[in-house]
Amino acid sequence: NAGVTQTPKFQVLKTGQSMTLQCAQDMNHEYMSWYRQDPGMGLRLIHYSVGAGITDQGEVPNGYNVSRSTTEDFPLRLLSAAPSQTSVYFCASSYSTWGDYEQYFGPGTRLTVT
Amino acid sequence: QQPVQSPQAVILREGEDAVINCSSSKALYSVHWYRQKHGEAPVFLMILLKGGEQKGHEKISASFNEKKQQSSLYLTASQLSYSGTYFCGTGTGNTPLVFGKGTRLSVIA
Repeated sequence: NAGVTQTPKFQVLKTGQSMTLQCAQDMNHEYMSWYRQDPGMGLRLIHYSVGAGITDQGEVPNGYNVSRSTTEDFPLRLLSAAPSQTSVYFCASSYSTWGDYEQYFGPGTRLTVT
Repeated sequence: QQPVQSPQAVILREGEDAVINCSSSKALYSVHWYRQKHGEAPVFLMILLKGGEQKGHEKISASFNEKKQQSSLYLTASQLSYSGTYFCGTGTGNTPLVFGKGTRLSVIA
């Protein structure tokens, strides 16, 4: 199993550009989520999904969009990049019910917006 | 609302012990602990569930006080490999984990 994969590893965008961060898992996990990590802030939840076709907002959803058309994939879209979105983005998945099972994290995407 | 971790940072010599605390203002269903090395993804250490069940790492122990909504992670006889940032993630059972800001642990020879 590859686990949770994320692409790209690094990305530089100009203000106003849009892009999609890709996330895929091959463990047949229903639960997936996106976090951003900024220095001294820990991991903050952006969006999450409990299954194909079901998504919801987390703590910091503004400026981001998600969809979940398959169990495997959970892409994160930046609609119009801003310097405040410079961060490291982690995708995570878990087997089922929040809290009962460990979360598996992808390797992260380091995004810089200039 | 993020759980509060303490201390923010700690420096240990090899062989010393450390305790990292995590406190929440919400009633908790579970507490997770993860360790992150610099430039890497967080890695699972342990889950503590309401009711006393624990799952996870053999060499690291933790406690969960449900009434006080607090958890503590105990690192004994620390090794250089224990260095990293430790995060607690708290869960209410029907929402994703909310993570604390982390505790940076440095173990020196």
